[in-house]
Amino acid sequence: KQEVTQIPAALSVPEGENLVLNCSFTDSAIYNLQWFRQDPGKGLTSLLLIQSSQREQTSGRLNASLDKSSGRSTLYIAASQPGDSATYLCAARLGGSARQLTFGSGTQLTVLP
Amino acid sequence: DADVTQTPRNRITKTGKRIMLECSQTKGHDRMYWYRQDPGLGLQLIYYSFDVKDINKGEISDGYSVSRQAQAKFSLSLESAIPNQTALYFCATSPSRDTGELFFGEGSRLTVL
Repeated sequence: KQEVTQIPAALSVPEGENLVLNCSFTDSAIYNLQWFRQDPGKGLTSLLLIQSSQREQTSGRLNASLDKSSGRSTLYIAASQPGDSATYLCAARLGGSARQLTFGSGTQLTVLP
Repeated sequence: DADVTQTPRNRITKTGKRIMLECSQTKGHDRMYWYRQDPGLGLQLIYYSFDVKDINKGEISDGYSVSRQAQAKFSLSLESAIPNQTALYFCATSPSRDTGELFFGEGSRLTVL
């Protein structure tokens, strides 16, 4: 079974710190990987989409990388702010199930003022 | 106005009742999806549709049915709701290519008593 894993499940950091969120997947035949942000009781907001031909994507203080050989993606958040507090989910479109995204269970980030 | 709109946003119902969740989109996307999210878990795919005549089961389709009334409308039905279908339900859309980005609605919170 294809899986996407996010560790840790929760993370607390002080404001201003740079941080990295991790996402691993079991199938190196990946089409793309998408990072989302979810605020409590809300929908998912797309942050970054990395195609299999790309190594990274950047948007503002966010940078996402993709390493197909190791089955890993990271989301780097620079100079974290309390407003960054949310759950971050990664989702990969993998191999034989290219029609479907497989989601990780998310990392709940708290940025302390 | 939201590009992907779900109604109702909140619903409380009783075991055995029939429930319909509706989704409409103004993004002009052909592909539409229904996901379920349970606390602490990632999203699980219930059904997906790549065009009006194409309906496919996802990971957890048992107990659910869907209808694609038009390109812009995709509804999810629970024919006889049961308590373990209590969850947050999301509709999503994407463009017609496997590398497309996924866009989500705000979610419909369903409670089955």
